[in-house]
Amino acid sequence: GQQVKQSSPSLTVQEGGISILNCDYENDMFDYFAWYKKYPDNSPTLLISVRSNVDKREDGRLTVFLNKSGKHFSLHITASQPEDTAVYLCAAGMNQGGSAKLIFGEGTKLTVSS
Amino acid sequence: EAAVTQSPRSKVAVTGGKVTLSCHQTNNHDYMYWYRQDTGHGLRLIHYSYVADSTEKGDIPDGYKASRPSQENFSLILELASLSQTAVYFCASSEGTGLSAETLYFGSGTRLTVL
Repeated sequence: GQQVKQSSPSLTVQEGGISILNCDYENDMFDYFAWYKKYPDNSPTLLISVRSNVDKREDGRLTVFLNKSGKHFSLHITASQPEDTAVYLCAAGMNQGGSAKLIFGEGTKLTVSS
Repeated sequence: EAAVTQSPRSKVAVTGGKVTLSCHQTNNHDYMYWYRQDTGHGLRLIHYSYVADSTEKGDIPDGYKASRPSQENFSLILELASLSQTAVYFCASSEGTGLSAETLYFGSGTRLTVL
């Protein structure tokens, strides 16, 4: 089964609003959680990541919330801009002798409308 | 300057033919990965490697082989290409150790179409 799941394939938000992207995972051994951003015909790039010893991490307009008991993490983007329009991939992994060997979700296509 | 370079950028192959996708990284990273992207599936791990001359199976290795002849180079080989292997393939590298061990640096992708 899908170990990391993004239940919403798409999301539309008005410019200036808050975009909330969600991700659920199955393996409670995962200790690393990340969000990648992908523009069409481009490669994914890391946006923000957290380890399991924190519940929240902020970086500018981005905040990751981690709910370990619910096996859920989310990405909040405040003051959403049209340039935030992209596919967002969540990923989770556990450190196995050095590499986290990330498992990715299916992706959520975010559209920020002006 | 791109640190993970994939070639070719796109390829059309015939069913049953052999396809080799190449990846070269200048990050001096120990770990390299091959993922495929399909609509509705996100990125799925095919093979990975943490040292030259050694490869490991990922989550969907069937129908694929991998080769890591050096730290910088990692190839994905489809011995008998099939229609179901039409996808975009991404190569990535990571440090493998340290605080940012898990951060993946991706290449630009190879769009493979099998006819």
